[in-house]
Amino acid sequence: EAQVTQNPRYLITVTGKKLTVTCSQNMNHEYMSWYRQDPGLGLRQIYYSMNVEVTDKGDVPEGYKVSRKEKRNFPLILESPSPNQTSLYFCASSTGAANKQYFGPGTRLTVT
Amino acid sequence: QKEVEQNSGPLSVPEGAIASLNCTYSDRGSQSFFWYRQYSGKSPELIMSIYSNGDKEDGRFTAQLNKASQYVSLLIRDSQPSDSATYLCAVSSGKLIFGQGTTLQVKP
Repeated sequence: EAQVTQNPRYLITVTGKKLTVTCSQNMNHEYMSWYRQDPGLGLRQIYYSMNVEVTDKGDVPEGYKVSRKEKRNFPLILESPSPNQTSLYFCASSTGAANKQYFGPGTRLTVT
Repeated sequence: QKEVEQNSGPLSVPEGAIASLNCTYSDRGSQSFFWYRQYSGKSPELIMSIYSNGDKEDGRFTAQLNKASQYVSLLIRDSQPSDSATYLCAVSSGKLIFGQGTTLQVKP
C-alpha cells in the first residue's frame, strides 16, 4: 500500500528536550515536505526536500532541522523545543514541488 | 495579499443539498489545482485534481476551474453528514500553496 508514515503520532515533551519525528514514504517520491498546522493559520511549510541531500527552508523554519540521507526518509528534528512549537505536524511527499501531495497521518506535539 | 484565498466558513447546508466551495488565487501562471478534504485532527486527503478550464466530475464531486478569473470551485452534490469537514484548496505556484480551508457542515 502506497503511504506516508510518521512516528510518533502523539508526543508530549518538555521545553529543551531534543526530539525527532520520523517520516517515511514508499512511493519513491523525490519531493518531501514538513508542515505545521495551527488553528486559524492553516498549513505552513517548515522545510522541504527536492531529493536526497537537497533541503531548503519553507515559510516557518526557525527552531527546526531536517535531513534527507535516504530518498524514503525525511526526519524533522527539534533540537530545543519550546511551547510555541506545540502544533499538529504533517509530513507529505510527491513527485514534485507543484504536484499533488500525499500526507502522513500527522503528529500531535505538545511542549510544556 | 494572500496567494490562495478561501472563505473560512462555516458553510452550513442541509443534507441532500449542493455545497459550493470557492477558492481564488493570485498567480496567473498556476497550472495545477487540488482539493483536499480534512476531517478534524486527521490529515488532508486528496479528493480532486483539475488542470484545465472547465468542469471535472468524480461521483458527487465536481471541480470547476476558470483561469481567466483565477478561481476554482468544488461542488458537492447530495451532501451527506459525512461530508462535514474542512476543504482545502491547493494551487501550484512554484510549489503547492494551500488556502486556509472552508469548514463545511452538513445538517441532517
